[in-house]
Amino acid sequence: QVQLVQSGAEVKKPGSSVKVSCKASGGTFSSHAISWVRQAPGQGHEWMGGIIPLFGTPNYAQNFQGRVTIIADESTSTAYMELSSLRSEDTAVYYCARDMGLLRFSYYMDVWGQGTTVTVSS
Amino acid sequence: EIVLTQSPATLSLSPGERAIFSCRASQSVGSYLAWYQQKPGQAPRLLIYDASNRATGIPARFSGSGSGTDFTLTISSLEPEDFAVYYCQQRTNWPTFGGGTTVEIK
Repeated sequence: QVQLVQSGAEVKKPGSSVKVSCKASGGTFSSHAISWVRQAPGQGHEWMGGIIPLFGTPNYAQNFQGRVTIIADESTSTAYMELSSLRSEDTAVYYCARDMGLLRFSYYMDVWGQGTTVTVSS
Repeated sequence: EIVLTQSPATLSLSPGERAIFSCRASQSVGSYLAWYQQKPGQAPRLLIYDASNRATGIPARFSGSGSGTDFTLTISSLEPEDFAVYYCQQRTNWPTFGGGTTVEIK
C-alpha cells in the first residue's frame, strides 16, 4: 500500500519561498499523478497543481500560476512543491495526494500525505 | 471557477441515524464529483468518486447519488467513527471543493 510522507512544518517570512517534499513508498510512484492541495485555517481546500512523474510536465491551477513550482524526482520517489512570494494568506496546511488515475489526471485523490503546516509571519 | 455549495453546515445526529449531505454545483459537472471525509488533524479520505462509486475499502453504508448540479452523500446508519467533516469536490476544468458539512454527535 502506497504511503506519502511529507517534510516537516515551516515558518517563513513574507516575500520568501517554501519548498515542501512528499516521499512515496510501498507502491508505484511514476505512473500516478501527485497533486498538491492546501487548506488555510477556517478555509476550504484549494487544489494548487500536480505532476505525473513519468511525464514530468506539471499542471498548475490558474490561481497559483507563476508562484508555484511542482517537480518530481523518480530516482527518490519524491515530489516537491515550492511556493514563492509568500504572504500571510499562504499560511495553511499543505497536502500532497496521489491521483487515482493511471498515467492521467483523474483529479480524484485516494492517498494523502500527513500534511505540512506552513506559517507565514513577520 | 465552479463553486460547490454544501448544506447544511452542521448536522446533529445520533449513532445509528441516517445522515444526508447535499452538494450543489454552480454549473453542471456531469457525474464528476467526489466526497471526502476529514477528521481533525488528519488528511481527507476519499469516500466516493464519479458521484456514486465507493473508493477502495469504503463501507457499504456510504453511498452517493446525483448528476449535473445536485448531489447527495448518504450514510445509512452512523457509526461513532463517522462523526467528522464531509467535503464534496468536482473535477471539471480543475478541482474545486465545497465548504464542508460537519456531522456532530447530538
